[in-house]
Amino acid sequence: AQSVTQLDSQVPVFEEAPVELRCNYSSSVSVYLFWYVQYPNQGLQLLLKYLSGSTLVKGINGFEAEFNKSQTSFHLRKPSVHISDTAEYFCAVSNTGTASKLTFGTGTRLQVTL
Amino acid sequence: NAGVMQNPRHLVRRRGQEARLRCSPMKGHSHVYWYRQLPEEGLKFMVYLQKENIIDESGMPKERFSAEFPKEGPSILRIQQVVRGDSAAYFCASSPGQGASNSPLHFGNGTRLTVT
Repeated sequence: AQSVTQLDSQVPVFEEAPVELRCNYSSSVSVYLFWYVQYPNQGLQLLLKYLSGSTLVKGINGFEAEFNKSQTSFHLRKPSVHISDTAEYFCAVSNTGTASKLTFGTGTRLQVTL
Repeated sequence: NAGVMQNPRHLVRRRGQEARLRCSPMKGHSHVYWYRQLPEEGLKFMVYLQKENIIDESGMPKERFSAEFPKEGPSILRIQQVVRGDSAAYFCASSPGQGASNSPLHFGNGTRLTVT
């Protein structure tokens, strides 16, 4: 069984400030890791994914995440946020055998203000 | 190229009625997944289907819920005799295959079910 923990339910931040959204996972097998963004009343959009290779993954909209196997973490970062980044962010994990069956965290609400 | 289409966007049902949620996958996608998002929670996997086959229904409640993906037409998630606890957003996702390396999930905008 797998699980994903997003410790911060809400993260307020000022525009142009850096942000980190934390994600920790647990799994007994090899995993793939994902970050999705959900804007109000919309579906989820893939930001980035880690499948293998370089542990630093770059995604859309200037986001990046780093896979840390020893700490079982996959934190999402952006050096300078914009008002339009206000949304719900979900971390997700799947095992490499059933790669499209995702286990999601409970989400982090990023609120960017002026 | 249309994305994953879900309808209706909003659905209101009284307790005891049936709810039917439809999902048309992206063109060329033959794998469909249904997820449920309860208020203040993340998405929970319900069922994974390919054309005419249920591959994994480990997340489906044992009673009242069923899903199908016929040879022709959209995938349907059916909830019989709805209860207030069924109120949630139901998301459909599709992919062309099952491997995450070349088959990321594409999500629809969801159907928000409200049971009164």
